Amino acid sequence: EAGVAQSPRYKIIEKRQSVAFWCNPISGHATLYWYQQILGQGPKLLIQFQNNGVVDDSQLPKDRFSAERLKGVDSTLKIQPAKLEDSAVYLCASSLSEQETQYFGPGTRLLVL
Amino acid sequence: QKEVEQNSGPLSVPEGAIASLNCTYSDRGSQSFFWYRQYSGKSPELIMSIYSNGDKEDGRFTAQLNKASQYVSLLIRDSQPSDSATYLCAVINSSASKIIFGSGTRLSIRP
Repeated sequence: EAGVAQSPRYKIIEKRQSVAFWCNPISGHATLYWYQQILGQGPKLLIQFQNNGVVDDSQLPKDRFSAERLKGVDSTLKIQPAKLEDSAVYLCASSLSEQETQYFGPGTRLLVL
Repeated sequence: QKEVEQNSGPLSVPEGAIASLNCTYSDRGSQSFFWYRQYSGKSPELIMSIYSNGDKEDGRFTAQLNKASQYVSLLIRDSQPSDSATYLCAVINSSASKIIFGSGTRLSIRP
C-alpha cells in the first residue's frame, strides 16, 4: 500500500513570496490533516478535512494560509505572503476516519529567508 | 497549562535498560491516545494506540493509560540504540474533533 505522498520535499523562498505544497493521501482515507512542525516542537494542526469539507481550521492563520481538498482526494496548502516565522516542516497525514490512526507523509521542509 | 505535556528531555538510558516516557493531558474526557516515534529529520510514525485504562503490550513496547490521573506512559524494554528518537504523545480530545500533540521527549540510548 502506497503511503502519503508530499511534494516538494524542500523549498527555500524569500519572505513575502508565495509557496504551495501538495499532498496525496493513502487511497481510501477520508480524513486529511495538515500540520506545521517547528524545530523542537510537536506538530501543530493547521487544518483537517473530512472528504472535501473542512472539519477544523481554528489554528490556520487565514490571513496568509489557505488550503483546499477538491474532490476529496489530493490537497494543497498555500502560504501567501510568507513570513520568516513560517520556516518549518509541513506535514500531511491521512486516516480512514477521524478516530483512526493517522499516517504521515515525509513532509515539506520550508525555509523562508 | 498545556493540553498535552511531556518532559522535553533528553532522557538518557543505558542500552538494555527500560526507558519510561510520560505524558499528561488536561481534557479529562479524552478517549484516544497515541505514541509516535520521530527520528531526526523524519516524519512521525505510530508505535502504539491505547483507548482503555491499563496496559497494552506490543513487543518491547508497553503503553499504560490512567484516565483518573490523566496520564499515559510508554515503556520500552531492552532499549536499543535504534530507539534513540523523539517520542510524541498525542491525544484526541473529548469532542473527538481534534488531535493534539505534545512537544515530544527526546530519548537517547547510550551503548
